[in-house]
Amino acid sequence: AQRVTQPEKLLSVFKGAPVELKCNYSYSGSPELFWYVQYSRQRLQLLLRHISRESIKGFTADLNKGETSFHLKKPFAQEEDSAMYYCALRKGGANNLFFGTGTRLTVIP
Amino acid sequence: DGGITQSPKYLFRKEGQNVTLSCEQNLNHDAMYWYRQDPGQGLRLIYYSQIVNDFQKGDIAEGYSVSREKKESFPLTVTSAQKNPTAFYLCASSPGFTNEKLFFGSGTQLSVL
Repeated sequence: AQRVTQPEKLLSVFKGAPVELKCNYSYSGSPELFWYVQYSRQRLQLLLRHISRESIKGFTADLNKGETSFHLKKPFAQEEDSAMYYCALRKGGANNLFFGTGTRLTVIP
Repeated sequence: DGGITQSPKYLFRKEGQNVTLSCEQNLNHDAMYWYRQDPGQGLRLIYYSQIVNDFQKGDIAEGYSVSREKKESFPLTVTSAQKNPTAFYLCASSPGFTNEKLFFGSGTQLSVL
């Protein structure tokens, strides 16, 4: 069975400090991983996807199949990064996304 | 403001009552989804629809029903068989079923009186 684990419910960092939001997964097939973000008073939205290997708003995430991880990283946190972040896994080319429990990031000015 | 509209924002259900949550989209998306969110848990898929007049059960479909008579609309009915309906419900859509970018509504908070 597939599972997505985000071990940190809350994470606080100072502005300008590096930030890493952890995501580990378990899935027997070939996974596709995503990060979704929800800013205050906004809707949940896609931040980035591993197949694109893109950097969005300074965030990157690398899929590490050996460690079954997809951690989200940013070298210098900004106040506007404060939000709820969800890691999600998709299996089999379908769109049945499995979400983690989320991490609330607070960037302290 | 285009996108996905969920209504109402807050809904209260009495014991033994069925309630229906509305989800409308004007994005011309084929696929639509219903997720449930409980405190401390991730989003869990209730039902999804790939195309009009078709829908499939997700991971926690028991006690729920849906219809997809129009492309724009995907209402969710929480029946009296759902013993623990208090949760936050999110509707989403995507251009196609294999498109990984989901567009979410703003959610409906359902509580039991």
